[in-house]
Amino acid sequence: DAGVTQSPTHLIKTRGQQVTLRCSPKSGHDTVSWYQQALGQGPQFIFQYYEEEERQRGNFPDRFSGHQFPNYSSELNVNALLLGDSALYLCASSLGTILSSYNSPLHFGNGTRLTVT
Amino acid sequence: AQSVSQHNHHVILSEAASLELGCNYSYGGTVNLFWYVQYPGQHLQLLLKYFSGDPLVKGIKGFEAEFIKSKFSFNLRKPSVQWSDTAEYFCAVTPYSGAGSYQLTFGKGTKLSVIP
Repeated sequence: DAGVTQSPTHLIKTRGQQVTLRCSPKSGHDTVSWYQQALGQGPQFIFQYYEEEERQRGNFPDRFSGHQFPNYSSELNVNALLLGDSALYLCASSLGTILSSYNSPLHFGNGTRLTVT
Repeated sequence: AQSVSQHNHHVILSEAASLELGCNYSYGGTVNLFWYVQYPGQHLQLLLKYFSGDPLVKGIKGFEAEFIKSKFSFNLRKPSVQWSDTAEYFCAVTPYSGAGSYQLTFGKGTKLSVIP
């Protein structure tokens, strides 16, 4: 049973550039959430995609955008990269957007380590 | 907005010692609570969760957590740690208002090192 897969595992970019990160959800899941984990911090919610639309968004600027494809995979795009965007970007998948005691919370991927120089 | 505080940044224990990791959250309403664990080189995995009912929740690998509503706390415990418990532990909360949300707020994490 394939878990959440993310690519690439590591990426180095220069300030001002743009980056695209990719995620394939766990088999059977249809919802993808993205989190940013800066060094020494816990993950911070960026946004969630369901039915190819952004459903929820955290406190992140418009430079952060995403997309979900019909096969439920997702991309995270970051424009005009800043040094402060250096972090581990985590993708997490779930079945549906409503969390209840009956379903399992998020399944996380191993993340993409982004370094901005 | 809700927030989560984890009191210890790094905890070092010998094998067989007892473990308690503190977690406090700030949110005025009903919440769902979680502990996630990240073993070295691996992805975040769910240890246990609290939604309602018995405030003492049992999870995988012998871990348990107690929800104390009056203290806004959800501390993680294990009676006897093993070297394989070496990992980083994250407490997380999400508000519940008729339906739960997958928008989790995480604490900064506590790194646990268990010495054989």
